[in-house]
Amino acid sequence: EPEVTQTPSHQVTQMGQEVILRCVPISNHLYFYWYRQILGQKVEFLVSFYNNEISEKSEIFDDQFSVERPDGSNFTLKIRSTKLEDSAMYFCASSQSGVANYGYTFGSGTRLTVV
Amino acid sequence: SQQGEEDPQALSIQEGENATMNCSYKTSINNLQWYRQNSGRGLVHLILIRSNEREKHSGRLRVTLDTSKKSSSLLITASRAADTASYFCASGNRDDKIIFGKGTRLHILP
Repeated sequence: EPEVTQTPSHQVTQMGQEVILRCVPISNHLYFYWYRQILGQKVEFLVSFYNNEISEKSEIFDDQFSVERPDGSNFTLKIRSTKLEDSAMYFCASSQSGVANYGYTFGSGTRLTVV
Repeated sequence: SQQGEEDPQALSIQEGENATMNCSYKTSINNLQWYRQNSGRGLVHLILIRSNEREKHSGRLRVTLDTSKKSSSLLITASRAADTASYFCASGNRDDKIIFGKGTRLHILP
């Protein structure tokens, strides 16, 4: 069964450093998403991406965050200057047709620890 | 506004019993989805019910949707140890995102 692949599985970074989280969505999916989950809390929407541009973003997704689909297969989330409160599990997801008819396929996540 | 508030927050039942989890939401939806998350792992899509549907089945799962009450329920019949996980509802509307609730932690006792 096709999978969404995320790398790395765990990343530790110093506060103020830039991090890039990588995702390879399912190949025939057109909609891509990033979510995060702070330990023990709910899964929060960050951003959705379709047709090479952001279609929705949340209040969390401020100027420190950016997304890119650099080569038609990878989908990356960059945090420019990490804060302690960015420590969380980050999930990438993809979907065939957006929110309407299909569920999302999620990756296994990247656990980001900011120290 | 918050979408997808589940209850109970935690549920422990004996193996073989049925588990029922509820979800409420606040605004209009296009569909309501349920996901499972094993500890420290990713989210697995279980089932999607559209706003014009009232009930849907998939194996041991039964989902109901009451749009007049803005609520949904997930029933897992004949529970197994492997069903131990957190279960989340997520609401989809016309925006290009789904919004998750806080989840129900289900623990199946042997």
